[in-house]
Amino acid sequence: GESVGLHLPTLSVQEGDNSIINCAYSNSASDYFIWYKQESGKGPQFIIDIRSNMDKRQGQRVTVLLNKTVKHLSLQIAATQPGDSAVYFCAETSGYSTLTFGKGTMLLVSP
Amino acid sequence: GAVVSQHPSRVICKSGTSVKIECRSLDFQATTMFWYRQFPKQSLMLMATSNEGSKATYEQGVEKDKFLINHASLTLSTLTVTSAHPEDSSFYICSALAPGGTDTQYFGPGTRLTVL
Repeated sequence: GESVGLHLPTLSVQEGDNSIINCAYSNSASDYFIWYKQESGKGPQFIIDIRSNMDKRQGQRVTVLLNKTVKHLSLQIAATQPGDSAVYFCAETSGYSTLTFGKGTMLLVSP
Repeated sequence: GAVVSQHPSRVICKSGTSVKIECRSLDFQATTMFWYRQFPKQSLMLMATSNEGSKATYEQGVEKDKFLINHASLTLSTLTVTSAHPEDSSFYICSALAPGGTDTQYFGPGTRLTVL
């Protein structure tokens, strides 16, 4: 989703649900994508990454999907837990090591 | 995983003073480090790329004379906010590029700067 002003898009889920967080990126030349989790007052924490020669990559409880045709990235979190509550950012780079961050989505998990 | 630290974690200063923030890679050498600024409920915005032994590369709109960056060793980069003003209050985050030619950046925990 896109944020307007100071309002982060928010996804509210129940504990145990699956969560899907979406990201639209802008640079068609980007070839490396990363999802970060940021808890309040902390730095970003790496979750999972994917290169442009793949369309899906799985980690522990997380899956990243990449659709280069529509420049769309998604993060799926299985069996979401309260500890997953945070702001999630996608980031892209075209190989020059400079990351461009997306606007972020706040995930709220209620018990 | 690789660890990046920042010091201090939070700082409050008076308007007009200068503040130095340190970023250290604790268990690896980082030729390249990055400095980001993050305002509340917003994303991280890259300020500059810090290269060991050379001048930093600043993003458009970031004043290099106001935000002084020094990357004097392979494990330390510093950001000095000179003549700080209340609008400089923000969350400053550094990252270090992993060695070996990858795109992986390891992020520090951030520094909360409040300018009164």
